[in-house]
Amino acid sequence: GENVEQHPSTLSVQEGDSAVIKCTYSDSASNYFPWYKQELGKRPQLIIDIRSNVGEKKDQRIAVTLNKTAKHFSLHITETQPEDSAVYFCAPSWGQNFVFGPGTRLSVLP
Amino acid sequence: KAGVTQTPRYLIKTRGQQVTLSCSPISGHRSVSWYQQTPGQGLQFLFEYFSETQRNKGNFPGRFSGRQFSNSRSEMNVSTLELGDSALYLCASSRTGTSYNEQFFGPGTRLTVL
Repeated sequence: GENVEQHPSTLSVQEGDSAVIKCTYSDSASNYFPWYKQELGKRPQLIIDIRSNVGEKKDQRIAVTLNKTAKHFSLHITETQPEDSAVYFCAPSWGQNFVFGPGTRLSVLP
Repeated sequence: KAGVTQTPRYLIKTRGQQVTLSCSPISGHRSVSWYQQTPGQGLQFLFEYFSETQRNKGNFPGRFSGRQFSNSRSEMNVSTLELGDSALYLCASSRTGTSYNEQFFGPGTRLTVL
């Protein structure tokens, strides 16, 4: 089955700094690469996704980059704000394959 | 458009009992997935239903089962509860449940097994 890892598992940054979270996966069939954000006490929500035919996608302060050859993709958050504090999950998938990474807890310090 | 709803939101059960959780997807969504979320294990996939058929199943014992009705609402059942079943159970709906489909999560049911 798919083996998904995220690094780091926890990340603390100063407000205004950038944060990068990396997701590595094992299944070369994966062709869809989303990131979900889960704030404390709330449900996970999709924040950005990318398909396998695209190398990079940006949406305001967040971006995702994909290296399909190396089987990893990363979430980039620039100009971090306190509301970015949350747990972030990657979920590389194909077909009906539903595997989430273990999560990365991001804390943005004021 | 109403979001994904789950009932009940909280449950307290004792070991050996059984429990049924309910999930109502977004209107028009035909796929419902279930996840178990615990602090140490993250989001663990239980199973996925589409048009009343289970299409995919995670690595959970047979005590965990589910079903989906013709209106796409889904139920999850856990029999012979164990202490380790204490967790937040999340369901998620998507239009077709295939790749490229965003999953919309419900608020979850917090199950405590005493």
